[in-house]
Amino acid sequence: GAVVSQHPSWVICKSGTSVKIECRSLDFQATTMFWYRQFPKQSLMLMATSNEGSKATYEQGVEKDKFLINHASLTLSTLTVTSAHPEDSSFYICSASRDLGQYFGPGTRLTVT
Amino acid sequence: GENVEQHPSTLSVQEGDSAVIKCTYSDSASNYFPWYKQELGKRPQLIIDIRSNVGEKKDQRIAVTLNKTAKHFSLHITETQPEDSAVYFCAASMTGNQFYFGTGTSLTVIP
Repeated sequence: GAVVSQHPSWVICKSGTSVKIECRSLDFQATTMFWYRQFPKQSLMLMATSNEGSKATYEQGVEKDKFLINHASLTLSTLTVTSAHPEDSSFYICSASRDLGQYFGPGTRLTVT
Repeated sequence: GENVEQHPSTLSVQEGDSAVIKCTYSDSASNYFPWYKQELGKRPQLIIDIRSNVGEKKDQRIAVTLNKTAKHFSLHITETQPEDSAVYFCAASMTGNQFYFGTGTSLTVIP
């Protein structure tokens, strides 16, 4: 149990466009989901905590207007990268918490050209 | 907020030797400490965890120790194998609603 899926797994987009990434908990309900960004050979950087039915809590330095998070249900959170630029290219990973554990999605590789 | 430090950043060991990765945390309220293994391009996978009411936990070749007084915890891998090569992350959490990760340790097991 505790499976988290993420879609798409890889996306290439042109600069200036918006990209939506979905994170789903497949076999459990998650009131809290997390969005991370990871650069090559670096640690996971928490971007925001997504709470079902309320606004996301963003970490310091993360632009909330650029990285829109919507936690529409107990099994789905979405991250929309608006007006993407090449510097937004990265590996985005979501996770969902269950009990005290945290379970990661497979990640989405975003490449902005 | 919580601050988790992890050492070393890279570690190379010969196959069959032991590997130890250490983490320290700053907030004494943290009570849950998971360890994740991440292979290149893949998601982090939970390999072992420990709660603050336990000092040590072992699962086959992997063990974790926790010193609450000193606010540090360590991952021990014995009889290392090439497939243990990966990046390992420690984390600390207070409520399960917020996790703070260490900077990662790239472990290479040399056959």
